[in-house]
Amino acid sequence: DAGVIQSPRHEVTEMGQEVTLRCKPISGHNSLFWYRQTMMRGLELLIYFNNNVPIDDSGMPEDRFSAKMPNASFSTLKIQPSEPRDSAVYFCASSPSNAIYFGEGSWLTVV
Amino acid sequence: AQSVTQLGSHVSVSEGALVLLRCNYSSSVPPYLFWYVQYPNQGLQLLLKYTTGATLVKGINGFEAEFKKSETSFHLTKPSAHMSDAAEYFCAVSDRGEYGNKLVFGAGTILRVKS
Repeated sequence: DAGVIQSPRHEVTEMGQEVTLRCKPISGHNSLFWYRQTMMRGLELLIYFNNNVPIDDSGMPEDRFSAKMPNASFSTLKIQPSEPRDSAVYFCASSPSNAIYFGEGSWLTVV
Repeated sequence: AQSVTQLGSHVSVSEGALVLLRCNYSSSVPPYLFWYVQYPNQGLQLLLKYTTGATLVKGINGFEAEFKKSETSFHLTKPSAHMSDAAEYFCAVSDRGEYGNKLVFGAGTILRVKS
């Protein structure tokens, strides 16, 4: 199995630009999660989907952040406009039931 | 609401020594508990998990953890540390919600292994 696949792995962008992070979950997993990791706040759950439906987006920091899951094999996390404080590692994870498997992360730097 | 406390943000052990990373949790329902490891510049890898059944859980790389309900603990141990064990370790608890497992993570413990 290929695991959870994220792209891009690294992105450097200028403040104000739109950023789109992509995720392909493990086939057959019905839950998908977006986490953000920073030194200051650790691992934070941003949003999670079950069967492509957003269940809990209470962790999304503000309206600049949005996430979609148009089908079972693809999800996006978009930041528009981006700000320097959005710099972090963004992890996508998927789950079949009782365990969650993470991708390698997208390292985002906003300058 | 669930929460996790990892005691000690940094732990240092000598190669060959016992590794003990502490985790205490709070949960309003019988918990699912997890340990993840993160190597530098990499994602989180599942080490082991407790869901039901045997309270002593064995994971990859020689690690194990014991669920102790009375102590609300899920400490991670390894009898003999290797240099390759140096990483950050995260304990997590699941809310076992209707829509699957939403994990709440502890702050992490960085393990340093001295030669």
